[in-house]
Amino acid sequence: ETGVTQSPTHLIKTRGQQVTLRCSSQSGHNTVSWYQQALGQGPQFIFQYYREEENGRGNFPPRFSGLQFPNYSSELNVNALELDDSALYLCASSSPTQGEAKNIQYFGAGTRLSVL
Amino acid sequence: AQKITQTQPGMFVQEKEAVTLDCTYDTSDPSYGLFWYKQPSSGEMIFLIYQGSYDQQNATEGRYSLNFQKARKSANLVISASQLGDSAMYFCAMRRGRQAGTALIFGKGTTLSVSS
Repeated sequence: ETGVTQSPTHLIKTRGQQVTLRCSSQSGHNTVSWYQQALGQGPQFIFQYYREEENGRGNFPPRFSGLQFPNYSSELNVNALELDDSALYLCASSSPTQGEAKNIQYFGAGTRLSVL
Repeated sequence: AQKITQTQPGMFVQEKEAVTLDCTYDTSDPSYGLFWYKQPSSGEMIFLIYQGSYDQQNATEGRYSLNFQKARKSANLVISASQLGDSAMYFCAMRRGRQAGTALIFGKGTTLSVSS
């Protein structure tokens, strides 16, 4: 158990709709990263939040947006859903206090999104 | 550009045998971190082991060890005494630099199947 929880576990949406995914980070962790994992692939970095500010972004369009709250939990929002957005969305939390070189990211079990 | 390559789509091993999962990486940064994660069918990414680019010794964590060959840019995971519960997808990942919270770059993964 990593202490990182994600909700919901599964979600079915139709093309064009909007979706919000949620993540509670491990206690004491102030950094949350979001990844998209398509079937049979490795996770791809979407963006990262550190102390409520976006702190890095991967190659994803602006319709992927996020928030981090004062308690360090986070949301991933996706607008205008496309069929290719169907994937497992993983959230990971980390903390610089682990040691700057190591900084292990601990993952939740993910939200499986299906876009029809 | 940074890249992780895992060339073994699937590996098969008998219980109690050792197995090596291959990982090569490409980066021009002198400082980086290498990670291995296990992903069971449930979806959660479980951290296994970490190796820093400046670490002189190979990392070990219980039955897991990392065969780090810096000149060859390889970071192979060795699992000793395989167990049925080791059946899962295994991902090699790299984090760039020493800054806190930098994104992970993942390979495509290797599926490990352990039989009795």
